[in-house]
Amino acid sequence: IAGITQAPTSQILAAGRRMTLRCTQDMRHNAMYWYRQDLGLGLRLIHYSNTAGTTGKGEVPDGYSVSRANTDDFPLTLASAVPSQTSVYFCASSEKGSSGNTIYFGEGSWLTVV
Amino acid sequence: QKEVEQNSGPLSVPEGAIASLNCTYSDRGSQSFFWYRQYSGKSPELIMFIYSNGDKEDGRFTAQLNKASQYVSLLIRDSQPSDSATYLCAAYPPSGTYKYIFGTGTRLKVLA
Repeated sequence: IAGITQAPTSQILAAGRRMTLRCTQDMRHNAMYWYRQDLGLGLRLIHYSNTAGTTGKGEVPDGYSVSRANTDDFPLTLASAVPSQTSVYFCASSEKGSSGNTIYFGEGSWLTVV
Repeated sequence: QKEVEQNSGPLSVPEGAIASLNCTYSDRGSQSFFWYRQYSGKSPELIMFIYSNGDKEDGRFTAQLNKASQYVSLLIRDSQPSDSATYLCAAYPPSGTYKYIFGTGTRLKVLA
């Protein structure tokens, strides 16, 4: 089934550890995103990429980094995890001019930092 | 600060009734608008998008857009208990920014 695959689905991580959340899409969308969703705060953009080779900061980028080596993959790295990064993380993608510029979401990665 | 505002709810409607979900947005340059349904513990899934003034219907769902009033709504006809979820409204910003603006969602409860 075409779409966005995230891994891992869930993870418990010790504070101070490094963690990479993986995201792969097979829709050949140019743009990809990482959001975190916390109760009462809604979806907040961490980082985005308009096209392979470029990335940009969202509204909550601190403590996170991304890379976009190719069209399909957009990993999110937590260099040194802290408890405030406990959240559900959604990778998403979109193609400008396609389906009204609809953004599609992966199934999410539930991360707990202890 | 560009915003999309939604009433957090919960909005409770009886089974079979019409549920009306509303959303306002602040950026007049927004190009298109989306409604997503999100079940607890799941990811947002697209219900429909709209970019022209007026109504757009898809099955039991109708999206309504009024750009002059900066208002978007979603009507769900013949509401079912399975429609109980949080509904997110989102706006696609002016060309080039790629920074979609999401509301915090309205929780809908359909009572059997």
